[in-house]
Parts: sequence; C-alpha cells; structure tokens
Amino acid sequence: EVQVVVSGGGLVQPGGSLRLSCAASGFTFSNHWMYWVRQAPGKGLVWVARINTDGSYISYPDSVKGRFTISRDNAKNTLWLQMNSLRAEDTALYYCVRDSVRVLDFWGQGTLVTVSS
Amino acid sequence: DIVLTQTPLSSPVTLGQPASISCRSSQSLVHSDGNTYLSWLQQRPGQPPRLLIYKISNRFSGVPDRFSGSGAGTDFTLKISRVEAEDVGVYYCVQATELWTFGQGTKLEIK
Repeated sequence: EVQVVVSGGGLVQPGGSLRLSCAASGFTFSNHWMYWVRQAPGKGLVWVARINTDGSYISYPDSVKGRFTISRDNAKNTLWLQMNSLRAEDTALYYCVRDSVRVLDFWGQGTLVTVSS
Repeated sequence: DIVLTQTPLSSPVTLGQPASISCRSSQSLVHSDGNTYLSWLQQRPGQPPRLLIYKISNRFSGVPDRFSGSGAGTDFTLKISRVEAEDVGVYYCVQATELWTFGQGTKLEIK
C-alpha cells in the first residue's frame, strides 16, 4: 500500500524555521518526482517545491524561493522541506505528494504549520 | 503562468442527480509530447485531496465509474452521473502541462 506520512509541523514565530519530513513506503521512492503542496486555511492548493528522482533538479515558485529548501534521501525513502524566514502567510496545511509523470496521484495526510507570534 | 478557472464555485445537487464542473484554462494544455495533463482531484471534508481523473478522462484506481472527465485544449469537464452523499467536498482541476496550477475549487453540496 502506497503511503506518505508527513511530520514536523507546529507553531513557529515569524522569522523562525521548521523542517518537515515525509516518509514514503509501498512504492519505489527513487522512481518518482515528489512535491510539497500547501493549503492555507479555507483556501485552495498551491505547490511550493518539487524535486526530481535523484535530487538533481529542484524548483520553487517565487513565493518561497530563497526561503524553502526541498531535499530527499532515496536510501531512506524520505523527503524533506526546510522552511526558513517563515511568514504569517506560510500558515497552511503542508502535503507531501507523489508525482507519477505529471499526475499527483498520492497525497499524504498533511501537517499543519502555523506562523504566529 | 497558466490560470485555471472553475465554474461553478458552488454546486448544490440533489442526491441521485447528475453534477457537472467546468474547468477552463488560459492557454492550451496540450503538451509537446502530445498529452494533455489535466487532472481532477476530490477533497472530502477534513481529508487530503484524492486523485479522481488524470489526462482528461482516465479514472484513477478505485474511482467509481459515475465519475467521468472530458474535454480538450482549454475546456474540460468533470461529470458525476448520479451524486451520492460521499461525493460531498471540493473538486479541483489541476494542470501539469506547464509547471503546476490548480483551479480555485468547486464545492459540491447536497440540497
């Protein structure tokens, strides 16, 4: 069974940092691009980071570029999102999502990140 | 950036009746490889999104056949032939032809 389990969310002050982890199982992790997608409370979906199969290609939208860093360890079947200089507008539920050739086919439960003083 | 516009934003439907959601793209979603990477997601209350349809009309594993997708180019439609109570939630179209963008979501509710 395909599973992606996210952890690491919580309450952080503006300007602070947080690291999210995504543990993948039930599939060959190294064969898939992976994404982080977030959803602000009551709002829609926005991708915030993506990484190719071996980590050699990474991209971010302008909203998080320079502040967020995505990485992966295929030996550990784990994906991370390091979030620095957090802002109130980063408050959201963060999902780890598997990409199967331009199809976001498996979504984890998500972890809530709250940026507030 | 490609913009996806969904209509309606809210759809009250009677149980057992059909429902239809439209998704219009600001530019063609036909990729240079010939595929059209338009998917539909369902998000039930309190749940993560779930893939329903990919590449316009392909149902994902385990998705009931009352869900169908159609369209081409810039105009796409998700149809539910007979709405059931478990279909309540928000539906998103999402394109992956050029980066990724999501529609704003359509809330399906029961009348």
